[in-house]
Amino acid sequence: QSVLTQPPSASGTPGQRVTISCSGSSSNIGSNTVNWYQQLPGTAPKLLIYSNNQRPSGVPDRFSGSKSGTSASLAISGLQSEDEADYYCAAWDDSLKGVFGGGTKLTVL
Amino acid sequence: QVQLVQSGAEVKKPGASVKVSCKVSGYTLTELSMHWVRQAPGKGLEWMGGFDPEDGETIYAQKFQGRVTMTEDTSTDTAYMELSSLRSEDTAVYYCATGNELLNAFDIWGQGTMVTVSS
Repeated sequence: QSVLTQPPSASGTPGQRVTISCSGSSSNIGSNTVNWYQQLPGTAPKLLIYSNNQRPSGVPDRFSGSKSGTSASLAISGLQSEDEADYYCAAWDDSLKGVFGGGTKLTVL
Repeated sequence: QVQLVQSGAEVKKPGASVKVSCKVSGYTLTELSMHWVRQAPGKGLEWMGGFDPEDGETIYAQKFQGRVTMTEDTSTDTAYMELSSLRSEDTAVYYCATGNELLNAFDIWGQGTMVTVSS
């Protein structure tokens, strides 16, 4: 089991808004920032959101992140077919150090 | 622009060791904090360890303590991850990734190295 908990799957139709949740604890999300990574099939992960809600240069503003307490969320608006990928949340844990969620497979119907 | 290029796929027998390299270009290795993350087939990401700039030391995930060694050759700007006493469960893609202190995230990733452990 992963330290951070994500739903294994999510889906939406083109143009829809989808959200992916990430649940942790006081030792990770509750006291440190959350990052999100996108992994397209057969490729290395790519940083999508850092510091809870910041987008690196080049990431469309359709992607947004938020955090509240020991949980975080990734929202994707105006869903597109190229958004079909695996999404991982990550945070620093005060004792375990680097921790990831189990990943959410997003399907665009 | 930082680029990370990893060594090629490896096939090892149980009990053996594997050493994966990660060559940095665009920056010098001393300017970066390198981390290693692995992904078993069909599974999620798992942090193995990396350089902690606050302590100036390499830290390892408890799960890999005693079995993993991460080193750097600053003369060639190449980072290495060696994993010993391999077992079938170590079959995975191994990624190097830079830890960006400003972003507090892994911002640049290598292409991955597939390590297969099989008798």
